[in-house]
Amino acid sequence: ETGVTQSPTHLIKTRGQQVTLRCSSQSGHNTVSWYQQALGQGPQFIFQYYREEENGRGNFPPRFSGLQFPNYSSELNVNALELDDSALYLCASSLLSPTYNEQFFGPGTRLTVL
Amino acid sequence: KQEVTQIPAALSVPEGENLVLNCSFTDSAIYNLQWFRQDPGKGLTSLLLIQSSQREQTSGRLNASLDKSSGRSTLYIAASQPGDSATYLCAVRGGLGSARQLTFGSGTQLTVLP
Repeated sequence: ETGVTQSPTHLIKTRGQQVTLRCSSQSGHNTVSWYQQALGQGPQFIFQYYREEENGRGNFPPRFSGLQFPNYSSELNVNALELDDSALYLCASSLLSPTYNEQFFGPGTRLTVL
Repeated sequence: KQEVTQIPAALSVPEGENLVLNCSFTDSAIYNLQWFRQDPGKGLTSLLLIQSSQREQTSGRLNASLDKSSGRSTLYIAASQPGDSATYLCAVRGGLGSARQLTFGSGTQLTVLP
């Protein structure tokens, strides 16, 4: 059983550019959630995908968008990058079930916006 | 809006000491609570998950308790070791809405001195 993987590990972009981050969920999981973690803070919920559709969104602008694919892997896209978008982006997978819903996190992608 | 607070923000203890980390949350309508460990620049490792109907969970030297009515959880670490040095994050999963995203505290940075 493979865990949650994310790519790339690190990324440097300039303000105004666009970026795509990728996540492969843990085997058997059908839900992917994305979080943004600024330095010294706890992660903040961006959105969740279940069966290829957005299933909830946090307080993030529309320039943050995502996709989930039939194999449950996911992408996070951020357009018009701003300096404040510099953060660790974490992906978490889980099984959307009433009785079992522990979230398992990947290693994260460190995004630096210059 | 759910808010999660962790006290203290940082803690330094000598090896072998037993210690308690505190977490409080404002909305008691939670689905579950998870404790995570995060090493510098890394992703999150799930330590313990407590369902809303449970009072505590134990794993090795770790014991987590949940008092939903008072909005509090504690993580007890017995016989601390230098390898326990990390940031410990508490997160609650909302009881309303299908996404049931995690809301995190800012963490307690633990240093165990040899």
